[in-house]
Amino acid sequence: SQQGEEDPQALSIQEGENATMNCSYKTSINNLQWYRQNSGRGLVHLILIRSNEREKHSGRLRVTLDTSKKSSSLLITASRAADTASYFCATDVYKAAGNKLTFGGGTRVLVKP
Amino acid sequence: KAGVTQTPRYLIKTRGQQVTLSCSPISGHRSVSWYQQTPGQGLQFLFEYFSETQRNKGNFPGRFSGRQFSNSRSEMNVSTLELGDSALYLCASSWTTSGTRSNEQFFGPGTRLTVL
Repeated sequence: SQQGEEDPQALSIQEGENATMNCSYKTSINNLQWYRQNSGRGLVHLILIRSNEREKHSGRLRVTLDTSKKSSSLLITASRAADTASYFCATDVYKAAGNKLTFGGGTRVLVKP
Repeated sequence: KAGVTQTPRYLIKTRGQQVTLSCSPISGHRSVSWYQQTPGQGLQFLFEYFSETQRNKGNFPGRFSGRQFSNSRSEMNVSTLELGDSALYLCASSWTTSGTRSNEQFFGPGTRLTVL
């Protein structure tokens, strides 16, 4: 089973609206990362939030992390057609060094012009 | 800086064959990770290489293997291909030292493998 589960699985909004997606996970994490993927291509890193952080911003993106609820949310404000993509959360639970990310199932976002 | 490059971009093989995929990381990145993406299983971690050594491994059978060269370029190999190996294989590189936890990863465009 996957570590991260995302909700909703799909989201359709009008340009200019905000989009919010959530990610829940099961075990303690070192950090949680959000990625965007366009049409089955490579993933683009959006934000990394560490377990001792509660909120981070990057441009129109805002990520929150609630470790007590084992959940995170990604908010995209003032959405644009170019934001149409799949969004994935990924958690790092590994105790040792290195990269071993566990991805959620993703949220497909459609922004209509 | 050039991004992560993967070759080939598309590949068609038949069951039982083997395949080798290549990944060139961003200059200066010593960690290279591989992921498999399928509609059914989503994105799954295969393995990570750092300084020519496999540092982390996912839950895949031994048919999946990899290696990293001294210039940090990496290859992954899948032997005795099965229909279920059809997937998008993504490579990612990151800046990391030997003792640090995960950082942001930079992904290549992927290699789409079709097994017939």
